Amino acid sequence: EAQVTQNPRYLITVTGKKLTVTCSQNMNHEYMSWYRQDPGLGLRQIYYSMNVEVTDKGDVPEGYKVSRKEKRNFPLILESPSPNQTSLYFCASSLYAGASYNSPLHFGNGTRLTVT
Amino acid sequence: AQSVAQPEDQVNVAEGNPLTVKCTYSVSGNPYLFWYVQYPNRGLQFLLKYITGDNLVKGSYGFEAEFNKSQTSFHLKKPSALVSDSALYFCAVSAGGNFNKFYFGSGTKLNVKP
Repeated sequence: EAQVTQNPRYLITVTGKKLTVTCSQNMNHEYMSWYRQDPGLGLRQIYYSMNVEVTDKGDVPEGYKVSRKEKRNFPLILESPSPNQTSLYFCASSLYAGASYNSPLHFGNGTRLTVT
Repeated sequence: AQSVAQPEDQVNVAEGNPLTVKCTYSVSGNPYLFWYVQYPNRGLQFLLKYITGDNLVKGSYGFEAEFNKSQTSFHLKKPSALVSDSALYFCAVSAGGNFNKFYFGSGTKLNVKP
């Protein structure tokens, strides 16, 4: 089944303890991106990647890191999490980079992160 | 800066009635516009998009949307609502020369009552 898989689904951690949220897609998609969803704010883009070793900042990149060493994986790294990073996180992928191509975003089921 | 507004937090409609979920945008350059739907505890699912061409776009599950350049709007519509349409709907835009960046609205909760 074609899908975007995020792990874990739920994560509770403490301030300053480094964590990684994994994202993997099995559709050979070029483009991957990370979003956070907060009430009243919708989804905000954190980082995106147009292909292996090509990443760029979205709207809210502060406090986050990403890497794209393989086409299928795009982990989100919080090196020193803070309570304001408590949120629902989504990974998404599409066949090609650039919204003009006929390739919609496919989303994972989300990771709910709580930082205390 | 690019932005999307969904002016209604919630829309209530009776089953069988037409529904409209509103979206307006502010961008530089030509926009690419999208609608996504989110069911509880799930990721977003693509409904439809406008890139160019006909202003009326048809998508999944009987939904359609009309691109109105003069009003900078992209409202989502369906002629006859189903209870199963109840979900959270997001409008999104990509524009300004970087079509790898997406901007989402705050979402509209659609409640369809039997």
